[in-house]
Amino acid sequence: GAVVSQHPSRVICKSGTSVKIECRSLDFQATTMFWYRQFPKQSLMLMATSNEGSKATYEQGVEKDKFLINHASLTLSTLTVTSAHPEDSSFYICSARDLTGGNTEAFFGQGTRLTVV
Amino acid sequence: DAKTTQPPSMDCAEGRAANLPCNHSTISGNEYVYWYRQIHSQGPQYIIHGLKNNETNEMASLIITEDRKSSTLILPHATLRDTAVYYCIVSFPNDYKLSFGAGTTVTVRA
Repeated sequence: GAVVSQHPSRVICKSGTSVKIECRSLDFQATTMFWYRQFPKQSLMLMATSNEGSKATYEQGVEKDKFLINHASLTLSTLTVTSAHPEDSSFYICSARDLTGGNTEAFFGQGTRLTVV
Repeated sequence: DAKTTQPPSMDCAEGRAANLPCNHSTISGNEYVYWYRQIHSQGPQYIIHGLKNNETNEMASLIITEDRKSSTLILPHATLRDTAVYYCIVSFPNDYKLSFGAGTTVTVRA
């Protein structure tokens, strides 16, 4: 299947700083990417949908000014957690889906474990 | 507003078939059934999907009932590495969103 690469796999940052997470589709063009967050022992929660060349669509309750999403190319989306706080510590996962190619399955990155201290 | 219902957990013996049920009684005509799994601390992995016909690939088989209100994912010969949380999701093929429920925690035992 297609490959989605996420970087970094884990990051520790100080409270108040910003952290950028990258999501790349390595062997296909991803017109749409998705960002999820997963707390321990819980399921994945969709945070936002990132469309190449346009603004991201955020799910209800997700602060768009805190979680900045940029999808400037068909192979790269970034999520920046601004002014991170300990409650932002979580497992962040991206996925990519090329809906123009007739494919329907989504492919996921390996996830980024964010710890804010 | 979960669209699917799965048992919270199940155990199976290594080398035996694992049959994972999923109820999706409100599925609409054009919605597909997707299965993903998540091994601990990793991103979800696509397994298989189908609309109405049974499907098989190198990982698993998907059996969808004639009325499409339920399905079963079959892992033909479970191994220890199949221990994971398995998610059954219904979605339109051009729908941007995949909504994850609680899934089934499958533990394969030697």
